[in-house]
Amino acid sequence: NAGVMQNPRHLVRRRGQEARLRCSPMKGHSHVYWYRQLPEEGLKFMVYLQKENIIDESGMPKERFSAEFPKEGPSILRIQQVVRGDSAAYFCASSPSRQGQNTEAFFGQGTRLTVV
Amino acid sequence: GEDVEQSLFLSVREGDSSVINCTYTDSSSTYLYWYKQEPGAGLQLLTYIFSNMDMKQDQRLTVLLNKKDKHLSLRIADTQTGDSAIYFCALSRNAGNNRKLIWGLGTSLAVNP
Repeated sequence: NAGVMQNPRHLVRRRGQEARLRCSPMKGHSHVYWYRQLPEEGLKFMVYLQKENIIDESGMPKERFSAEFPKEGPSILRIQQVVRGDSAAYFCASSPSRQGQNTEAFFGQGTRLTVV
Repeated sequence: GEDVEQSLFLSVREGDSSVINCTYTDSSSTYLYWYKQEPGAGLQLLTYIFSNMDMKQDQRLTVLLNKKDKHLSLRIADTQTGDSAIYFCALSRNAGNNRKLIWGLGTSLAVNP
C-alpha cells in the first residue's frame, strides 16, 4: 500500500504562470487535506476535501488558489498567476473516513514550489 | 498571537534525553500530536495523545500533557544522531474527521556526537 503520493516533488514557475500540484491519497482514503509550509509561518491549513466536495476551505487565499478532489484521479491544488510569495512547501495529507475515533492523517513528502 | 508555541532550537549530546516543549491556547483541542520532519522529507507522525490523558509512553518517546497549564512535552530518551530533525507540535481543532490541525513553528533538534 503506497503512501500519500505528491508530484512533482519540486516545481519551478515564473511569476504569472500557473502551478498544479497533485496528491494521490492512500488507498482507501477519501479525505484529503492541503497544508502550506512557509519559512516564517510554519504549517498552515489550507483546505479539506472529500471526493467531489470541498468541506472546509477556510485557509485558502481568496484569489488565485483553488482545489479539487474529483471522483477519479488525484486531488489538485491549483495556483494561478503565481507570485514570489507563493514559494513554499505544499503538503497533502489523507485519512480514511471512519467516524468517532482518532484517525491518523498520513502526509505526503510535499511539493516544493519555487517562483522565480 | 500564536495558538501553538514552541522554542525554535534545541541542542543535545548523543545519549542524553531531549525534551521538546509546546504551549497552546485552545483548551478545546481533542488530540495533540508530535510530528517529525527530516530535511527535505514529509511529516512523520511520531505519537499523539488524547486530551483526557496525562502521559503516553512509546519506546523511547514519552508525551506529557498538562491541561491546566496547556503544556505538552515530548521526551526522547537516549537521543541518537538520527533523531536530528524538526519536531512539530500540532493540535486538532475539531474531533471527528476534520483533521484541521493547528501547528507550532517546529523545534529544530540538533544531536551532537
